[in-house]
Amino acid sequence: NAGVMQNPRHLVRRRGQEARLRCSPMKGHSHVYWYRQLPEEGLKFMVYLQKENIIDESGMPKERFSAEFPKEGPSILRIQQVVRGDSAAYFCASSVTGVVGTDTQYFGPGTRLTVL
Amino acid sequence: GENVEQHPSTLSVQEGDSAVIKCTYSDSASNYFPWYKQELGKRPQLIIDIRSNVGEKKDQRIAVTLNKTAKHFSLHITETQPEDSAVYFCAAKHNYGQNFVFGPGTRLSVLP
Repeated sequence: NAGVMQNPRHLVRRRGQEARLRCSPMKGHSHVYWYRQLPEEGLKFMVYLQKENIIDESGMPKERFSAEFPKEGPSILRIQQVVRGDSAAYFCASSVTGVVGTDTQYFGPGTRLTVL
Repeated sequence: GENVEQHPSTLSVQEGDSAVIKCTYSDSASNYFPWYKQELGKRPQLIIDIRSNVGEKKDQRIAVTLNKTAKHFSLHITETQPEDSAVYFCAAKHNYGQNFVFGPGTRLSVLP
């Protein structure tokens, strides 16, 4: 059973470009969470999605950031017009459901975004 | 909303000694408390978790205790080894909350 997959592992963008980060959950998991981690800091929740549905996006900046989890394919976190402050590690996690007992989250390896 | 604090922020112990990391949470409705270990440049990995219907859980050298009245839970690592050196994060979640709130992390260094 493959774990949570993320790609690319490293992404370099210049200011003003777009960044697309992909996350494939573990097999059998239909819930995906995105977190941002700045160097030497903790994990900050960004957005929680189920297939074709955003459940909670309270941690995601209103501008430039968007996320989706289509019926087919990976979840995508999209950052438009990147700025240097967007440089961070972005982790995706997945769980079977959000219900007690099946809500344990397992993390992917992360995408390290560097904005030049 | 939920707020999770974690202490200490850094912890150094001699190999073979015990390490204890404590987290407090603010929302009494929280009922699931996982601990993650993150080595440098790696993903957070779940090492142990506890739900609010139990007070203690143990897995080999790692144990977690939960005090619901005081709203705190602790990670205990016994007989520490150099490979235990990492950043440890606690988190809290409740049934009607859809996401975890993480503590700021504790950097544990096990000195040989």
